[in-house]
Amino acid sequence: SQTIHQWPATLVQPVGSPLSLECTVEGTSNPNLYWYRQAAGRGLQLLFYSVGIGQISSEVPQNLSASRPQDRQFILSSKKLLLSDSGFYLCAWTRTRAGYEQFFGPGTRLTVL
Amino acid sequence: DAKTTQPPSMDCAEGRAANLPCNHSTISGNEYVYWYRQIHSQGPQYIIHGLKNNETNEMASLIITEDRKSSTLILPHATLRDTAVYYCIVRVEYNTDKLIFGTGTRLQVFP
Repeated sequence: SQTIHQWPATLVQPVGSPLSLECTVEGTSNPNLYWYRQAAGRGLQLLFYSVGIGQISSEVPQNLSASRPQDRQFILSSKKLLLSDSGFYLCAWTRTRAGYEQFFGPGTRLTVL
Repeated sequence: DAKTTQPPSMDCAEGRAANLPCNHSTISGNEYVYWYRQIHSQGPQYIIHGLKNNETNEMASLIITEDRKSSTLILPHATLRDTAVYYCIVRVEYNTDKLIFGTGTRLQVFP
């Protein structure tokens, strides 16, 4: 069976510090991968998606970046965090070209102080 | 991209049917309607999807109007655990399978 992991579960970081959130998927190959952010009391915002290794598409301009160094690994990064980066970060995956169901990870709750 | 419109909140008594409406008047012929829900502090969970026929699974039923401009998600016997935000989504691109989430409907099931 397939599983998706995210870590850390919670994170408190000062403004201006770097960020690295990791997401890995097990039990499937060549998945589409996604990063979402949910600010407090708001809906989900798609940040990045990837259809393959090294292929990253950005949905919104921001100070975040994403990378996919391996088939089932997706990393969200920032060089300098802003207060507005606080939120609930969710990673998700679908099967390529047959992904009617998107599977979400447990999420990382980031607080920037 | 087709957009969806949902009421911001609804209430439902436990054991009764919850009917959640969604308008998607600009949907294209090859776009599917998806429903997800998000229980507090968890990732969204897929519920059901459909193109133009009504669909039913173990979680819910999806009724799509003949002109496909609106749909209704039906939870036949709502329980307290169904309290969540329900998102109606029209799939944007087949290859990338992007899902654009709106603000959804916050369903509160009360005893």
